[in-house]
Amino acid sequence: DQQVKQNSPSLSVQEGRISILNCDYTNSMFDYFLWYKKYPAEGPTFLISISSIKDKNEDGRFTVFLNKSAKHLSLHIVPSQPGDSAVYFCAAIERNSGGSNYKLTFGKGTLLTVNP
Amino acid sequence: ETGVTQSPTHLIKTRGQQVTLRCSSQSGHNTVSWYQQALGQGPQFIFQYYREEENGRGNFPPRFSGLQFPNYSSELNVNALELDDSALYLCASSRTRRGYTFGSGTRLTVV
Repeated sequence: DQQVKQNSPSLSVQEGRISILNCDYTNSMFDYFLWYKKYPAEGPTFLISISSIKDKNEDGRFTVFLNKSAKHLSLHIVPSQPGDSAVYFCAAIERNSGGSNYKLTFGKGTLLTVNP
Repeated sequence: ETGVTQSPTHLIKTRGQQVTLRCSSQSGHNTVSWYQQALGQGPQFIFQYYREEENGRGNFPPRFSGLQFPNYSSELNVNALELDDSALYLCASSRTRRGYTFGSGTRLTVV
């Protein structure tokens, strides 16, 4: 049973436009969410995160929105650039994953292609 | 500061064999986790080590085992390899829940 779902396997956008990547979760114990970007033959690279006490976090061109009641988060990239083309993973950590237990639960990823 | 390094980068093994994958944590990180990423899937949590003790495990059989050393480097061992073990194995180190750093992974192919 997938606790973190990314229902769009792929997304294609034009350079300069907005990219919106979506993620849904089912586990109410999740209280911290992260987005990772992954290029082929590389490990995931941290992009941006958000705590459940917030509904928005912004870092440059990247903004993550969290809707706790809908158990939904989204990553907005504005403006999109060809170098943003990669697989984007949504991940979550459970509240009270105590001590140093930092298990990440990932979605299956969305392949973003930004066309010049 | 150095990142997370994994070795080897690629490996081909025969079904039934055993394999050991290695990971050097990022400097200052005392927690290391291992993930398996099958083709078309997201990374799946295998287990985590903190101060040389396993302190979390995902839904993987006991033939997946690990070690963490005093310098926080780590090994993942897989016994009795099966074809379905073919995947990218990722190591991640962290010091807090906000600071994960992943290595580039080891691509394991079981034939």
